Amino acid sequence: DTEVTQTPKHLVMGMTNKKSLKCEQHMGHRAMYWYKQKAKKPPELMFVYSYEKLSINESVPSRFSPECPNSSLLNLHLHALQPEDSALYLCASSHVPSLRENTEAFFGQGTRLTVV
Amino acid sequence: GNSVTQMEGPVTLSEEAFLTINCTYTATGYPSLFWYVQYPGEGLQLLLKATKADDKGSNKGFEATYRKETTSFHLEKGSVQVSDSAVYFCALILSGYSTLTFGKGTMLLVSP
Repeated sequence: DTEVTQTPKHLVMGMTNKKSLKCEQHMGHRAMYWYKQKAKKPPELMFVYSYEKLSINESVPSRFSPECPNSSLLNLHLHALQPEDSALYLCASSHVPSLRENTEAFFGQGTRLTVV
Repeated sequence: GNSVTQMEGPVTLSEEAFLTINCTYTATGYPSLFWYVQYPGEGLQLLLKATKADDKGSNKGFEATYRKETTSFHLEKGSVQVSDSAVYFCALILSGYSTLTFGKGTMLLVSP
């Protein structure tokens, strides 16, 4: 199983709503990532979890709140978003990098988020 | 810092034409190199990878060779199909780091 599963595939939310994006993998990966991708742009890293602990936060606004409840699951909680936050949100996972080897990241299909 | 430079798109080809998408990189260490593909409305899929100099990655008829002397990782395919139409991202990662550095992406459009 080399799949990263994201739900929902599409989400429309108002600026006062609270919603959550979910990501799941069963490849035994202990590093998980959230990326944001705007149209015609490469993905931008938001957060990295390593062994279920937040290891990188790329200065993301607090209206995005990640959570890693266990080694297979990663959530992104959304609150009070702005229309400019509309984008494709991608989850990825990999083995935790080491100096001995690099490891590729596996991406999910993404959640297309529209903030109205 | 690290960076990846890809040729600007879109690249427009007829079916069965030869494809080259150029990718060059700068890195402070010894990176692994990747090509990811993104079909319309979908996430990223790993297409191929190479982890050291002179390695050749290949998959689904696509190939790329890690050239340390020219810091390049050009993507090639001998005969493209309409189904290859997508955006292709070149990316690198350094040993011990978890952060991928992406190029800006190159859109490929293949017509019948």
